[in-house]
Amino acid sequence: DGGITQSPKYLFRKEGQNVTLSCEQNLNHDAMYWYRQDPGQGLRLIYYSQIVNDFQKGDIAEGYSVSREKKESFPLTVTSAQKNPTAFYLCASGTGTVFGYTFGSGTRLTVV
Amino acid sequence: GQSLEQPSEVTAVEGAIVQINCTYQTSGFYGLSWYQQHDGGAPTFLSYNALDGLEETGRFSSFLSRSDSYGYLLLQELQMKDSASYFCAVDTGRRALTFGSGTRLQVQP
Repeated sequence: DGGITQSPKYLFRKEGQNVTLSCEQNLNHDAMYWYRQDPGQGLRLIYYSQIVNDFQKGDIAEGYSVSREKKESFPLTVTSAQKNPTAFYLCASGTGTVFGYTFGSGTRLTVV
Repeated sequence: GQSLEQPSEVTAVEGAIVQINCTYQTSGFYGLSWYQQHDGGAPTFLSYNALDGLEETGRFSSFLSRSDSYGYLLLQELQMKDSASYFCAVDTGRRALTFGSGTRLQVQP
């Protein structure tokens, strides 16, 4: 079955460490997205990519980095420069807003 | 800047009809989407409106008025499983959605 997979589901890291969140899709979607969600809040756009080897900053890109070397994969690195990294991270893919995004089940990152 | 306004919470009873409003102020506008998210889960796509008017999909309908920068999601014949958060989202032309802060719907028996 086609879908989008995020791993791990829960992640704990010490303050000051970089951490990479995985996102893989087998839906053959060109576009992929990373959003951050804080408790009781909406989704805020971190980075997005419309095509392999190209990506754009979203609204809250500071302290994050991404790569898009393969169509299927869009990993997100949360760096030590991110001041408040504890959050729920959602990856999505799609062919355009008309048909909607497919979201992964998310990674809950806790930095202690 | 961009802003989308939704009520933070709505409560309704099973079998009733509920309307969740969304007003937006954005530098560009191509369409309004709605997503549903159950607690701890992934958002799922419900609808997309690019043109004025009402789009119906089963028990859910979505409306858009571009001149008023306003839309709503209408849920009919509410069921307990409809208890979730609902997000409106705007495509401003940068080819990535900007989401509102969400409306938490509680359906009571």
